Amino acid sequence: NAGVTQTPKFRVLKTGQSMTLLCAQDMNHEYMYWYRQDPGMGLRLIHYSVGEGTTAKGEVPDGYNVSRLKKQNFLLGLESAAPSQTSVYFCASSLRQGWQPQHFGDGTRLSIL
Amino acid sequence: EDQVTQSPEALRLQEGESSSLNCSYTVSGLRGLFWYRQDPGKGPEFLFTLYSAGEEKEKERLKATLTKKESFLHITAPKPEDSATYLCAVVTNNAGNMLTFGGGTRLMVKP
Repeated sequence: NAGVTQTPKFRVLKTGQSMTLLCAQDMNHEYMYWYRQDPGMGLRLIHYSVGEGTTAKGEVPDGYNVSRLKKQNFLLGLESAAPSQTSVYFCASSLRQGWQPQHFGDGTRLSIL
Repeated sequence: EDQVTQSPEALRLQEGESSSLNCSYTVSGLRGLFWYRQDPGKGPEFLFTLYSAGEEKEKERLKATLTKKESFLHITAPKPEDSATYLCAVVTNNAGNMLTFGGGTRLMVKP
Protein backbone atom coordinates (compact mmCIF):
# COMPACT_ATOMS: atom_id res chain seq x y z
CA ASN A 1 0.00 0.00 0.00
CA ALA A 2 2.08 2.91 -1.31
CA GLY A 3 -0.21 5.84 -0.35
CA VAL A 4 1.20 8.99 -1.97
CA THR A 5 4.31 8.62 -4.12
CA GLN A 6 6.39 11.51 -5.42
CA THR A 7 8.99 11.42 -8.17
CA PRO A 8 11.76 12.40 -8.38
CA LYS A 9 13.04 12.57 -4.78
CA PHE A 10 15.88 14.97 -5.59
CA ARG A 11 16.65 17.25 -8.51
CA VAL A 12 19.06 20.04 -9.33
CA LEU A 13 18.13 22.49 -12.07
CA LYS A 14 19.73 25.51 -13.65
CA THR A 15 17.89 28.83 -13.73
CA GLY A 16 15.51 28.92 -16.67
CA GLN A 17 15.13 25.17 -17.05
CA SER A 18 11.73 23.54 -16.84
CA MET A 19 10.64 20.34 -15.15
CA THR A 20 7.62 18.39 -13.97
CA LEU A 21 7.10 16.81 -10.58
CA LEU A 22 4.82 13.79 -10.45
CA CYS A 23 2.50 12.78 -7.64
CA ALA A 24 0.56 9.52 -7.63
CA GLN A 25 -1.92 8.26 -5.03
CA ASP A 26 -3.53 4.85 -4.78
CA MET A 27 -6.23 5.65 -2.20
CA ASN A 28 -8.91 6.79 -4.68
CA HIS A 29 -8.86 10.27 -3.11
CA GLU A 30 -10.74 13.10 -4.81
CA TYR A 31 -8.64 16.00 -3.50
CA MET A 32 -4.95 16.50 -4.24
CA TYR A 33 -2.58 19.30 -3.24
CA TRP A 34 0.90 20.66 -3.90
CA TYR A 35 2.78 22.45 -1.10
CA ARG A 36 6.23 23.91 -0.72
CA GLN A 37 8.10 23.89 2.58
CA ASP A 38 10.78 26.46 3.33
CA PRO A 39 12.68 27.05 6.58
CA GLY A 40 10.75 29.40 8.85
CA MET A 41 7.80 29.59 6.43
CA GLY A 42 5.92 26.40 7.13
CA LEU A 43 3.98 24.55 4.45
CA ARG A 44 2.35 26.78 1.85
CA LEU A 45 -0.26 25.67 -0.67
CA ILE A 46 0.71 26.14 -4.31
CA HIS A 47 -2.19 24.59 -6.23
CA TYR A 48 -4.86 22.03 -5.52
CA SER A 49 -7.46 19.91 -7.29
CA VAL A 50 -10.92 18.86 -6.15
CA GLY A 51 -11.28 16.16 -8.77
CA GLU A 52 -10.11 14.82 -12.10
CA GLY A 53 -9.81 17.59 -14.68
CA THR A 54 -10.00 20.44 -12.13
CA THR A 55 -7.30 22.67 -10.66
CA ALA A 56 -7.27 25.82 -8.53
CA LYS A 57 -4.71 28.30 -7.19
CA GLY A 58 -3.47 28.22 -3.65
CA GLU A 59 -1.49 30.74 -1.64
CA VAL A 60 1.70 30.85 -3.78
CA PRO A 61 0.82 29.81 -7.37
CA ASP A 62 3.07 32.13 -9.39
CA GLY A 63 5.65 30.35 -11.53
CA TYR A 64 3.92 26.98 -11.31
CA ASN A 65 1.35 25.12 -13.37
CA VAL A 66 -0.54 21.93 -12.58
CA SER A 67 -2.60 19.29 -14.33
CA ARG A 68 -4.88 16.48 -13.15
CA LEU A 69 -5.68 14.42 -16.23
CA LYS A 70 -6.19 11.24 -14.21
CA LYS A 71 -7.74 10.97 -10.75
CA GLN A 72 -4.68 9.29 -9.28
CA ASN A 73 -2.06 11.70 -10.66
CA PHE A 74 -1.31 15.36 -10.01
CA LEU A 75 1.54 17.03 -11.87
CA LEU A 76 3.38 20.20 -10.85
CA GLY A 77 5.31 22.05 -13.54
CA LEU A 78 7.95 24.72 -13.28
CA GLU A 79 7.95 26.66 -16.53
CA SER A 80 11.21 28.59 -16.07
CA ALA A 81 12.92 27.70 -12.81
CA ALA A 82 14.20 30.48 -10.55
CA PRO A 83 16.47 30.26 -7.48
CA SER A 84 13.49 31.39 -5.34
CA GLN A 85 11.82 28.09 -6.20
CA THR A 86 14.50 26.12 -4.37
CA SER A 87 12.45 24.26 -1.80
CA VAL A 88 11.04 20.92 -0.69
CA TYR A 89 7.80 20.14 -2.50
CA PHE A 90 5.13 17.95 -0.95
CA CYS A 91 2.11 16.39 -2.54
CA ALA A 92 -0.91 15.39 -0.47
CA SER A 93 -4.34 13.88 -1.00
CA SER A 94 -7.58 13.65 0.94
CA LEU A 95 -10.75 11.65 0.54
CA ARG A 96 -13.31 14.38 -0.09
CA GLN A 97 -13.82 17.66 1.75
CA GLY A 98 -10.69 19.74 2.31
CA TRP A 99 -10.96 19.45 6.06
CA GLN A 100 -10.51 15.70 6.10
CA PRO A 101 -6.99 14.52 7.00
CA GLN A 102 -4.47 14.92 4.23
CA HIS A 103 -1.98 12.17 3.44
CA PHE A 104 1.44 13.36 2.35
CA GLY A 105 4.20 11.98 0.18
CA ASP A 106 7.84 12.14 1.26
CA GLY A 107 8.70 15.16 -0.81
CA THR A 108 10.89 16.26 -3.71
CA ARG A 109 13.99 18.27 -2.80
CA LEU A 110 14.58 20.75 -5.61
CA SER A 111 17.59 23.04 -5.94
CA ILE A 112 17.75 25.77 -8.57
CA LEU A 113 21.24 27.04 -9.30
CA GLU B 1 -6.11 36.71 7.20
CA ASP B 2 -5.81 33.44 9.09
CA GLN B 3 -2.69 33.12 11.25
CA VAL B 4 -1.28 30.10 13.05
CA THR B 5 1.65 30.43 15.46
CA GLN B 6 3.43 27.53 17.12
CA SER B 7 5.63 27.77 20.19
CA PRO B 8 8.29 27.08 21.11
CA GLU B 9 10.16 26.75 17.82
CA ALA B 10 12.36 24.07 19.40
CA LEU B 11 12.10 22.06 22.59
CA ARG B 12 14.67 19.78 24.20
CA LEU B 13 13.46 17.27 26.77
CA GLN B 14 15.00 14.47 28.74
CA GLU B 15 13.38 11.10 28.32
CA GLY B 16 10.42 10.94 30.69
CA GLU B 17 10.14 14.73 31.06
CA SER B 18 6.56 15.67 30.15
CA SER B 19 5.77 18.96 28.41
CA SER B 20 3.35 20.72 26.07
CA LEU B 21 3.54 22.29 22.62
CA ASN B 22 1.34 25.27 21.82
CA CYS B 23 -0.55 26.23 18.65
CA SER B 24 -2.35 29.56 18.81
CA TYR B 25 -4.57 30.77 16.00
CA THR B 26 -6.28 33.94 14.85
CA VAL B 27 -8.89 32.89 12.34
CA SER B 28 -12.44 33.52 11.28
CA GLY B 29 -14.71 30.53 11.42
CA LEU B 30 -12.56 27.60 12.56
CA ARG B 31 -13.77 24.35 11.02
CA GLY B 32 -11.03 22.08 12.29
CA LEU B 33 -7.51 21.96 13.71
CA PHE B 34 -5.01 19.28 12.71
CA TRP B 35 -1.81 18.01 14.31
CA TYR B 36 0.84 16.32 12.19
CA ARG B 37 4.20 14.76 12.97
CA GLN B 38 7.09 15.18 10.52
CA ASP B 39 10.31 13.16 10.68
CA PRO B 40 13.46 14.41 8.91
CA GLY B 41 13.32 13.74 5.18
CA LYS B 42 9.69 12.60 5.35
CA GLY B 43 6.28 14.06 4.71
CA PRO B 44 3.91 15.07 7.53
CA GLU B 45 2.03 12.21 9.14
CA PHE B 46 -1.49 12.82 10.41
CA LEU B 47 -2.03 12.58 14.20
CA PHE B 48 -5.31 14.24 15.25
CA THR B 49 -8.21 16.38 14.14
CA LEU B 50 -10.07 18.58 16.65
CA TYR B 51 -13.30 20.29 15.65
CA SER B 52 -14.65 22.17 18.67
CA ALA B 53 -13.47 23.84 21.87
CA GLY B 54 -13.21 21.39 24.74
CA GLU B 55 -12.47 18.43 22.51
CA GLU B 56 -9.56 16.15 23.43
CA LYS B 57 -7.90 13.25 21.61
CA GLU B 58 -5.20 10.83 22.70
CA LYS B 59 -2.74 8.51 21.03
CA GLU B 60 -0.12 6.70 23.06
CA ARG B 61 1.91 9.40 24.86
CA LEU B 62 0.25 12.28 22.98
CA LYS B 63 -2.88 14.20 23.95
CA ALA B 64 -4.29 17.09 21.95
CA THR B 65 -6.68 19.66 23.37
CA LEU B 66 -8.51 22.63 21.85
CA THR B 67 -9.79 25.95 23.17
CA LYS B 68 -11.28 28.88 21.27
CA LYS B 69 -7.85 30.46 20.77
CA GLU B 70 -5.29 27.67 20.94
CA SER B 71 -4.48 24.00 20.95
CA PHE B 72 -1.99 22.11 23.05
CA LEU B 73 -0.17 18.90 22.26
CA HIS B 74 0.75 17.32 25.59
CA ILE B 75 3.55 14.76 25.59
CA THR B 76 3.63 12.50 28.63
CA ALA B 77 6.86 10.71 29.55
CA PRO B 78 8.38 11.15 26.08
CA LYS B 79 10.80 8.69 24.53
CA PRO B 80 13.62 9.41 22.05
CA GLU B 81 11.43 8.06 19.23
CA ASP B 82 9.02 10.95 19.85
CA SER B 83 11.68 13.31 18.47
CA ALA B 84 10.23 15.00 15.38
CA THR B 85 8.77 18.27 14.18
CA TYR B 86 5.13 18.69 15.16
CA LEU B 87 2.96 20.77 12.85
CA CYS B 88 -0.37 22.40 13.56
CA ALA B 89 -2.80 23.42 10.82
CA VAL B 90 -6.28 24.95 10.68
CA VAL B 91 -9.15 24.83 8.24
CA THR B 92 -11.41 27.87 8.24
CA ASN B 93 -14.26 29.44 6.34
CA ASN B 94 -11.83 32.07 5.01
CA ALA B 95 -9.49 29.71 3.22
CA GLY B 96 -11.96 27.70 1.16
CA ASN B 97 -11.50 24.63 3.34
CA MET B 98 -7.75 24.54 2.70
CA LEU B 99 -5.14 24.01 5.43
CA THR B 100 -3.12 26.90 6.88
CA PHE B 101 -0.02 25.60 8.65
CA GLY B 102 2.00 26.94 11.54
CA GLY B 103 5.79 26.94 11.44
CA GLY B 104 6.14 23.81 13.60
CA THR B 105 7.87 22.86 16.84
CA ARG B 106 11.01 20.75 16.63
CA LEU B 107 11.05 18.34 19.56
CA MET B 108 14.23 16.58 20.64
CA VAL B 109 14.05 13.93 23.37
CA LYS B 110 17.37 12.79 24.81
CA PRO B 111 17.85 9.42 26.51
